[in-house]
Parts: sequence; structure tokens; C-alpha cells
Amino acid sequence: AQKVTQAQTEISVVEKEDVTLDCVYETRDTTYYLFWYKQPPSGELVFLIRRNSFDEQNEISGRYSWNFQKSTSSFNFTITASQVVDSAVYFCALTTTGNQFYFGTGTSLTVIP
Amino acid sequence: DTGVSQDPRHKITKRGQNVTFRCDPISEHNRLYWYRQTLGQGPEFLTYFQNEAQLEKSRLLSDRFSAERPKGSFSTLEIQRTEQGDSAMYLCASSITGGTGNTIYFGEGSWLTVV
Repeated sequence: AQKVTQAQTEISVVEKEDVTLDCVYETRDTTYYLFWYKQPPSGELVFLIRRNSFDEQNEISGRYSWNFQKSTSSFNFTITASQVVDSAVYFCALTTTGNQFYFGTGTSLTVIP
Repeated sequence: DTGVSQDPRHKITKRGQNVTFRCDPISEHNRLYWYRQTLGQGPEFLTYFQNEAQLEKSRLLSDRFSAERPKGSFSTLEIQRTEQGDSAMYLCASSITGGTGNTIYFGEGSWLTVV
């Protein structure tokens, strides 16, 4: 069975602070893909990143960075120098087959100006 | 706009009525997915199509839920005899076949309120 856990329900930070969103996953498959999506108040889930199980390289994209560690089954997301526009709910997701995606319960991030 | 399009965006219906949601995927995408999301939860998988074939439907919540994709393009999700527990956001997503792990792209969702 596949499972994604996002233990942080809500996080508030002051603008310009760094913030890390945690994601822990469970799967017995050796091939899988991990994702992060952003859901602003408008409701649309916006794709941020995909990482496959064979690539543990960390990735940086502007103020966003992702730390994938198979040893701890974690795929954490860091926002550097947060901005008000980063306020949203962030979801971590997992798929092994590409047919069904398993989402965590999300972390609601509020960036206070 | 070439993204996933859903209609209607909001629907209020009385308990017992039938509702239908439409999804138009990204044009070159052959896979189409339906998810449901309730407040405070992540999206929950319902069903998916590859072209016109519905390859997984065991996660549809009850026999009141049905989905179609008759020509492999747009899809509809119908809920018959709606109940208050059906109130949620129904999300459509699409992707293109190319091995596992293909990214799915979501529409803006259709909010359903059953009163």
C-alpha cells in the first residue's frame, strides 16, 4: 500500500523567513515518483516538481528547493525568503504506476507580511 | 487557454437531484483522471481513463457515481441521487502516456454543495 504523510497541518511564517514543508512516504515498490503541488485559494492544484525514486539529487528552482532522502523516505520542500504569494496549501503526492496518485493531507502555509 | 477545463465551477443542488460535471483535458493528453477533495484533505482518486477506456473505477464512491469519456476527449462525472456527503470539490486531471510517473495536470475543480 502507498501512503503519504504531511504531519504539519498549518505553518505561519513572517515574510522573508525560510520554511520547510515535510513529506514522508510509504511504498514497497522500488520504482515510484514523488510530486509537490501548490493549491492557492482559487483551488487549482499547480504542479511544482516531480522526482523519481532513482534520482536522489536535490533540486533547486529559484527560491524553491527539494531534499529527497530514500533512507528516511522523505521528500521535503524548502521555500527560501518566503513571500506573501507563497501562501497556499501544499500537497505531496506519490505514484508507483502512474495510474493512481496518493496525496497527503496538505500543509497550509501562511506568509505574514 | 490550453489547460484542463472544468464546468461548472460551482454547483448547488438539492439532495436527491442528479448532477453532472464536465472535464476537457489538455488537448494532447490521452489519460484523464477524476479526484474528489473535501475540506482539509488531499485529493482522493476516483477513476481514470486512457483514451475512451475506463481502466480503473473501483474507487468510485458508490454506484451513484459514474464517469464516461465517450470519444476519448472530454469526460463527464455524474452523481445520481445526491446526498449531503457528496458535497466536495471534484477535480479533473490529465496526462500523457509515457511510462509511469507522468505528471498529472489539474483543472480548477468543480465545487458541489448539496443542500
